[in-house]
Amino acid sequence: AQSVTQPDIHITVSEGASLELRCNYSYGATPYLFWYVQSPGQGLQLLLKYFSGDTLVQGIKGFEAEFKRSQSSFNLRKPSVHWSDAAEYFCAVGAFNDYKLSFGAGTTVTVRA
Amino acid sequence: NAGVTQTPKFRILKIGQSMTLQCTQDMNHNYMYWYRQDPGMGLKLIYYSVGAGITDKGEVPNGYNVSRSTTEDFPLRLELAAPSQTSVYFCASIKGARGNTIYFGEGSWLTVV
Repeated sequence: AQSVTQPDIHITVSEGASLELRCNYSYGATPYLFWYVQSPGQGLQLLLKYFSGDTLVQGIKGFEAEFKRSQSSFNLRKPSVHWSDAAEYFCAVGAFNDYKLSFGAGTTVTVRA
Repeated sequence: NAGVTQTPKFRILKIGQSMTLQCTQDMNHNYMYWYRQDPGMGLKLIYYSVGAGITDKGEVPNGYNVSRSTTEDFPLRLELAAPSQTSVYFCASIKGARGNTIYFGEGSWLTVV
């Protein structure tokens, strides 16, 4: 079975600074990987996904993520954060045959002025 | 195109009561899922279905039941509500093919008192 670890529970970053959120996964086959964002009281919005091909994936809202097979990682980055990026971020890995997602526990991002 | 629709959005139940969370998708997706989200725990899979008439347990199925009589609908039933079922519930669906996007409903906030 697949699993996901997000080592950072909470990150505080200044507006305009760069952001990196870590994600490590465990899966026996080629994974397919996702990052979702959730604002307070809202549902999940897909930021980006990786299935194959280019290991650097561009997403919405200026986010990107890099798949590193050797490190079993799929870290999310943004060069310059905006106050509206304050939210909870979830990394997820999907199973190849039944598309079930396993989620990490999430990282809460606080943006200070 | 409505996507994945969940009802109700908010509900307060008394211990021992029963209720059904409704989930409907209009995208002709064969795979559907129910997740629950608890603080600091990410999302956990309750039940899933790979097509009409087929359902299977996820990680945390105890206290829940599902049915899938049609492609569009995947209701989640709580038979005897317990405080431990206080959570946010998300329904999701995908057309089963690698590279496709999983769509989430907006969530149902359930409190058991």
